[in-house]
Amino acid sequence: DAGVIQSPRHEVTEMGQEVTLRCKPISGHDYLFWYRQTMMRGLELLIYFNNNVPIDDSGMPEDRFSAKMPNASFSTLKIQPSEPRDSAVYFCASSLLLAGGVNNEQFFGPGTRLTVL
Amino acid sequence: DQQVKQNSPSLSVQEGRISILNCDYTNSMFDYFLWYKKYPAEGPTFLISISSIKDKNEDGRFTVFLNKSAKHLSLHIVPSQPGDSAVYFCAASARDNNNDMRFGAGTRLTVKP
Repeated sequence: DAGVIQSPRHEVTEMGQEVTLRCKPISGHDYLFWYRQTMMRGLELLIYFNNNVPIDDSGMPEDRFSAKMPNASFSTLKIQPSEPRDSAVYFCASSLLLAGGVNNEQFFGPGTRLTVL
Repeated sequence: DQQVKQNSPSLSVQEGRISILNCDYTNSMFDYFLWYKKYPAEGPTFLISISSIKDKNEDGRFTVFLNKSAKHLSLHIVPSQPGDSAVYFCAASARDNNNDMRFGAGTRLTVKP
């Protein structure tokens, strides 16, 4: 398996523009997570899905952020409109639910570095 | 609120010596702890974990220690190697919500040859 795939790897946009980040989780994984990494706060969980259903979006900072998972192999994180403070590295991760209901480790994609000018 | 804190943003050690990375947490419901390692331009990768029923877990050169009463865990790397140079993230989750994993801000480890 190629691991978690994210695109684009780098995105530079102007304030006010719509940004869409994409993620392909590892095949067979039940969970998909979106994180944002900043210098000040480290890795923050934004939202996660179980079997394509959003379970917890309490980490999504504002209504400008939205995430979808139309099928088991694809998810998007959209920011509309984007602002300079959204500049960060956004990671997607996926994991497999093990027997006993305990999740295994999360496998991270390489991240998308977003710069909003 | 930062429920997981890594107070040292950076650490530099000499090759062959011990590296000790520290992590503190505030939520007493956390019962599963992990360390992730991140190289530049790559996503974090899982390194080692520990459940709250243990106070030590060892995997080769890496050992994680958990002190529940102090809400503190540490990662020991012995001996340190230049390839260990990376950012290390501490993470924690609670049994009733394993998916809500909280990460620290990370510690950048530099191992000098």
